[in-house]
Amino acid sequence: AQSVAQPEDQVNVAEGNPLTVKCTYSVSGNPYLFWYVQYPNRGLQFLLKYITGDNLVKGSYGFEAEFNKSQTSFHLKKPSALVSDSALYFCAATAGGYNKLIFGAGTRLAVHP
Amino acid sequence: DADVTQTPRNRITKTGKRIMLECSQTKGHDRMYWYRQDPGLGLRLIYYSFDVKDINKGEISDGYSVSRQAQAKFSLSLESAIPNQTALYFCATRGITEAFFGQGTRLTVV
Repeated sequence: AQSVAQPEDQVNVAEGNPLTVKCTYSVSGNPYLFWYVQYPNRGLQFLLKYITGDNLVKGSYGFEAEFNKSQTSFHLKKPSALVSDSALYFCAATAGGYNKLIFGAGTRLAVHP
Repeated sequence: DADVTQTPRNRITKTGKRIMLECSQTKGHDRMYWYRQDPGLGLRLIYYSFDVKDINKGEISDGYSVSRQAQAKFSLSLESAIPNQTALYFCATRGITEAFFGQGTRLTVV
């Protein structure tokens, strides 16, 4: 069965420090992988995606993610966290274009001044 | 205008009532989805549709039904609402790659 795991309910980071939000997936075939961010009382906003090609993908607001096929992971990273990055982050996966999009449970990122 | 519009944005309803949540999209995509969001559970898929004639159950479809009235419209119904259906509901549409989400409908069943 297709699934996405985000092992951390919350990640705490000091402003200016690097951050990592972890995601692992179980998808048959070649996965399409996504990160979304949700700010309070808002819908989900797209951050970045991996479809094919370079394993390191860059997205909005300085975020990037690294696709690791052997570890079935797609961790979200940012070199220097901002307080305004504090939000709920969701990893999502699908097995290609014509399959359902499955989300992880979400990780709350708290960046402290 | 938003790519995906959900109505209503907030709704309080009584147990046993029928309620419909509506969704329309302007992206021209065939694929549409309904999710519910609960704290600690992330987004769980209720129903999804790959075109007007293709409706599929997601992981938590019990107690819900959907209607795909047109390519751009996908509504979610609760035939007889119950309190554990209190949640934030999201509609989404998707092309080949990323999905576009509505702002959500906060539904409270009392």
